[in-house]
Amino acid sequence: EPEVTQTPSHQVTQMGQEVILRCVPISNHLYFYWYRQILGQKVEFLVSFYNNEISEKSEIFDDQFSVERPDGSNFTLKIRSTKLEDSAMYFCASRPSRDSEAFFGQGTRLTVV
Amino acid sequence: ILNVEQSPQSLHVQEGDSTNFTCSFPSSNFYALHWYRWETAKSPEALFVMTLNGDEKKKGQISATLNTKEGYSYLYIKGSQPEDSATYLCAFWNQAGTALIFGKGTTLSVSS
Repeated sequence: EPEVTQTPSHQVTQMGQEVILRCVPISNHLYFYWYRQILGQKVEFLVSFYNNEISEKSEIFDDQFSVERPDGSNFTLKIRSTKLEDSAMYFCASRPSRDSEAFFGQGTRLTVV
Repeated sequence: ILNVEQSPQSLHVQEGDSTNFTCSFPSSNFYALHWYRWETAKSPEALFVMTLNGDEKKKGQISATLNTKEGYSYLYIKGSQPEDSATYLCAFWNQAGTALIFGKGTTLSVSS
C-alpha cells in the first residue's frame, strides 16, 4: 500500500544550523502539508503546498522556514537557523484531492541542542 | 484563529467498556471534519471524513456523529479493547480547504 515516507526518522542538530527534512508523498497526490508536534502539545499546522506554491502558512512558519518540491517527488522542509524551540516531531502529509483524508508519514524527530 | 477543542484530554477504561469523546469546532464556514487514530511510534491514520450535518459513520466498533450547526462531533467506541488504546485526534478543515487544524486529542488507555 502506498505510504508517505519521511527521512531521517531522527535528527540531532546544533542550534543555529540548517536542517532539511525530507518527505516523499504518495505519488498521485496533489496537496502537501507539514505539521509539527512539540512534546506534550497539540499537532500544529505549519504550511500547505499545492500546484508548486504555498497555499497557506501558519504564524509559526516564519522566514526561517521554507518548503520545496525540487524534483516532482520529494517535498522538503528547510529550517535555516534552528533554535532550541524547534525541537519537535515534524510530520509530512499528502492527499489526492481537496475532499479526501490526509495521509501522514511517520515523522522526523528533530532535536536541537 | 480556528480552534478545535477535544474532551476529555485522557481516558482510562477497562476492556469491554464503551466510551465517547467530544470534538467542538467553529460552526461557521464549515468544510469538513476528520477523525484520526494515532498510535505511539506510528503516523496518524484517518478513521472518518465527515462533511454533512447529521452524518453518522461507522468502522467496526467505532462510530462518529457530526452536528455542523452547533459545531460538535462525537466519537464512540463500543466495547473497548486494549488495541483501541491510542490518541484520537479530531481535525477541522478551514473553509478554503488549505489547512487541517487539529485538536489536542483524547488519549485512550484500555486495560485488560
